[in-house]
Amino acid sequence: EPEVTQTPSHQVTQMGQEVILRCVPISNHLYFYWYRQILGQKVEFLVSFYNNEISEKSEIFDDQFSVERPDGSNFTLKIRSTKLEDSAMYFCASKGNLINYGYTFGSGTRLTVV
Amino acid sequence: AQSVTQLDSQVPVFEEAPVELRCNYSSSVSVYLFWYVQYPNQGLQLLLKYLSGSTLVESINGFEAEFNKSQTSFHLRKPSVHISDTAEYFCAVSERMGGKLIFGQGTELSVKP
Repeated sequence: EPEVTQTPSHQVTQMGQEVILRCVPISNHLYFYWYRQILGQKVEFLVSFYNNEISEKSEIFDDQFSVERPDGSNFTLKIRSTKLEDSAMYFCASKGNLINYGYTFGSGTRLTVV
Repeated sequence: AQSVTQLDSQVPVFEEAPVELRCNYSSSVSVYLFWYVQYPNQGLQLLLKYLSGSTLVESINGFEAEFNKSQTSFHLRKPSVHISDTAEYFCAVSERMGGKLIFGQGTELSVKP
C-alpha cells in the first residue's frame, strides 16, 4: 500500500536554529498538508498546498513557517527560527484527486527544541 | 466555523466488551467525516470515512460508525474489543474535498484483559 514518508523521525535542534522537515507524499496525490501535535494535545492543521501554492493556512502558520515542493516529489516544511513551543510531532499528509480518497498521513517527525 | 468534539478523553473497557467513542461536529455545510487511529509512537491511520451514501460505514477490523445528520454525530462503535485496539482515536471533519481536516481532542481507548 502506498505510504507517505517523513524524514527524519526525530530531530533535536537549538532554539533559534532553522529546521527543515521532509516529506515524500504518495506519487499521484495532488493535495498536501502539514499538521502538528503538541504532546498530549490534539492534531492541529498548519497548511495545505495544491497546484504549487498554499491553498489554506492556519493562524499557527506565521512568517517563521514556509513550505516548498522543490522537485515534484518532496514536500518540505521549514521553520526559520525555532522556539521552545515549536516542539511537537509534525505530520505530513497527502490526498488524491478523487472524492473517495482518504487523507494519508506519514509517521511524523518529532521535533524537540532545546 | 467547523469544530469537532469528542466527549470522552479516556474510555477504559474490558476485552470483548462493546465500546462506543462519541464524536459530534459543528458545520454550516455538508461535511466529510473520518476516524483515525494512532497507536503508541506511531502516525495516524485512517480507520473509516463517510463521504456520501450509506450513513453506516465499516472498517476491516470490526469498527463501524454512523453518520447522523440531525444530531451532527459520527460515533464509532465496536461490538467486541481486543487488547490490540488500545490506542488513541481521533474524529475529524472536512468541509470540502481536499480541504483541511479539523480534529477532535482524541479519545484514549484502553482495553484491559
